Amino acid sequence: DIQMTQSPSSLSASVGDRVTITCRASQSISSYLNWYQQKPGKAPKLLIYAASSLQSGVPSRFSGSGSGTDFTLTISSLQPEDFATYYCQQSYSTITFGPGTKVDIK
Amino acid sequence: QLQLQESGPGLVKPSETLSLTCTVSGGSISSSSYYWGWIRQPPGKGLEWIGSIYYSGSTYYNPSLKSRVTISVDTSKNQFSLKLSSVTAADTAVYYCARLGYDFLDYWGQGTLVTVSS
Repeated sequence: DIQMTQSPSSLSASVGDRVTITCRASQSISSYLNWYQQKPGKAPKLLIYAASSLQSGVPSRFSGSGSGTDFTLTISSLQPEDFATYYCQQSYSTITFGPGTKVDIK
Repeated sequence: QLQLQESGPGLVKPSETLSLTCTVSGGSISSSSYYWGWIRQPPGKGLEWIGSIYYSGSTYYNPSLKSRVTISVDTSKNQFSLKLSSVTAADTAVYYCARLGYDFLDYWGQGTLVTVSS
């Protein structure tokens, strides 16, 4: 299995902050990397697919980058509705998810 | 708008088989472009991929669960189903069904909590 790690595991930020979350794969996964947002009691929501493509309807403040083993999700200006847990997911081989990064209010 | 809805018992006894169904509305499960999958999330923990199925019946399972999992499809009802055998308390989780478009999960059900307890 390809193992996914995320850092940090949690962070505190303020509205308007620029937030960066990192995801690392245990081996190269090319660009087969997706990002999801999950709020308490809700299903995950797709934000970014293929490492850097913005899913339809997702605000442009969300962006993704990277290839190979290292990937980044960036929120350019954090909004109140962005406080949530973020997961990366690889689809290069059997699907695996990262452990998540919880973004809460500072 | 595509919608997915999980259904099934919320309580299963240890050693028995967990059975869930996902009903797809607003689109056809027989679309050639998509697989349909199951994902679970233990309370307070992260997401785990269970497996997926194509409308033709072709399946892919998480190797860690493969010996206990069966996913099937009923195109006449626009549904697909999950069976997980020999459950233990470790199988207690919210179970989600989702559409697998190319390599990403773009539509999800709301999730259903299944508790394994006697």
